[in-house]
Amino acid sequence: RKEVEQDPGPFNVPEGATVAFNCTYSNSASQSFFWYRQDCRKEPKLLMSVYSSGNEDGRFTAQLNRASQYISLLIRDSKLSDSATYLCGGGGNKLTFGTGTQLKVEL
Amino acid sequence: EPEVTQTPSHQVTQMGQEVILRCVPISNHLYFYWYRQILGQKVEFLVSFYNNEISEKSEIFDDQFSVERPDGSNFTLKIRSTKLEDSAMYFCASSEGSRAQYFGPGTRLLVL
Repeated sequence: RKEVEQDPGPFNVPEGATVAFNCTYSNSASQSFFWYRQDCRKEPKLLMSVYSSGNEDGRFTAQLNRASQYISLLIRDSKLSDSATYLCGGGGNKLTFGTGTQLKVEL
Repeated sequence: EPEVTQTPSHQVTQMGQEVILRCVPISNHLYFYWYRQILGQKVEFLVSFYNNEISEKSEIFDDQFSVERPDGSNFTLKIRSTKLEDSAMYFCASSEGSRAQYFGPGTRLLVL
């Protein structure tokens, strides 16, 4: 089983839609989890940290379920500018990333 | 807003040559990392560095690779004898402990 697994997509959604991504991880010792956004040929940019209690930042909500070993990201009212690849990453001293989920928001 | 910087942005080299990729981490961060991303593939961890020594490294980080913090601001990745398969985007990152890592813009390395 891969350490971190994501549905690669692409998810094609209309502007204004709500879209959810999930990510599963196999290493139960992983301490910290994050969602990053990566635009084509650019660096991963931190979107938000993920906590068991849930974390909301504007239109973005992240959740960690340690019992089931998955992480979720919810994007509400999606914008054209949200089009990117979303990476989930987990670990302690190092981050292990999934392959990323590609989101395309269309008019 | 403080950010990680990397130089050069692009590097083309011949197979077998040595390359040094440079990074300036965020100034108050104490943990430094190198990752690579081969075109079309996922971001892969190479090495982490804390307190002037390697704290963890991956299988990719073999004897051809080394890291150094030559002064109080720079953090370098050296590849001694480049191979074709070293062609990738190399990202430096830094963090305050186990908090989120912040990535630099990357160096695109092409080995011919």
